[in-house]
Amino acid sequence: EADIYQTPRYLVIGTGKKITLECSQTMGHDKMYWYQQDPGMELHLIHYSYGVNSTEKGDLSSESTVSRIRTEHFPLTLESARPSHTSQYLCASSEGSGANVLTFGAGSRLTVL
Amino acid sequence: GENVEQHPSTLSVQEGDSAVIKCTYSDSASNYFPWYKQELGKRPQLIIDIRSNVGEKKDQRIAVTLNKTAKHFSLHITETQPEDSAVYFCFIQGAQKLVFGQGTRLTINP
Repeated sequence: EADIYQTPRYLVIGTGKKITLECSQTMGHDKMYWYQQDPGMELHLIHYSYGVNSTEKGDLSSESTVSRIRTEHFPLTLESARPSHTSQYLCASSEGSGANVLTFGAGSRLTVL
Repeated sequence: GENVEQHPSTLSVQEGDSAVIKCTYSDSASNYFPWYKQELGKRPQLIIDIRSNVGEKKDQRIAVTLNKTAKHFSLHITETQPEDSAVYFCFIQGAQKLVFGQGTRLTINP
């Protein structure tokens, strides 16, 4: 079934660890996004990509990095996690043209101790 | 850049009553106006959208109205039910940016 998948769903790690949140979509969408969201709160865009080898920073300052080597894959990496990074991270994708109907993944809930 | 203001931030209505949420935007080039619903612990999902050449669109108990002159669009939910309780986000697709509203937490009281 065409969908967008995120792993891990839950992660608890210690300060200073490097982590990568995975996001893969099987819909052939050109555009992909990472949002940071505290439960029930605003969706903050931290990174987006309009295609392979294209990545841009969003509105929210973030110490994370992303890569887009394949159309279907858009991982997010934190080189050194801190307690302030504790949040939910939502990956989304949309088609390349026309109305941007976003399809979201289930999210990765990160807790940094 | 694109600015979007969503109001109210919280809304509590009696079951069966109507709820209205409004978003105001600044980019006159915006041409697509969707609404997303996020239930507790779930991912946001599109519930209704409207293109800039249409003033109103209805899908059963939900409707979206657009006033391009005044640069605002609204979500209307009639005959509210407990399953309508969620956080609702408007979304703006402007010339340069894609922006979500701040969200409205809707609670339906039995």
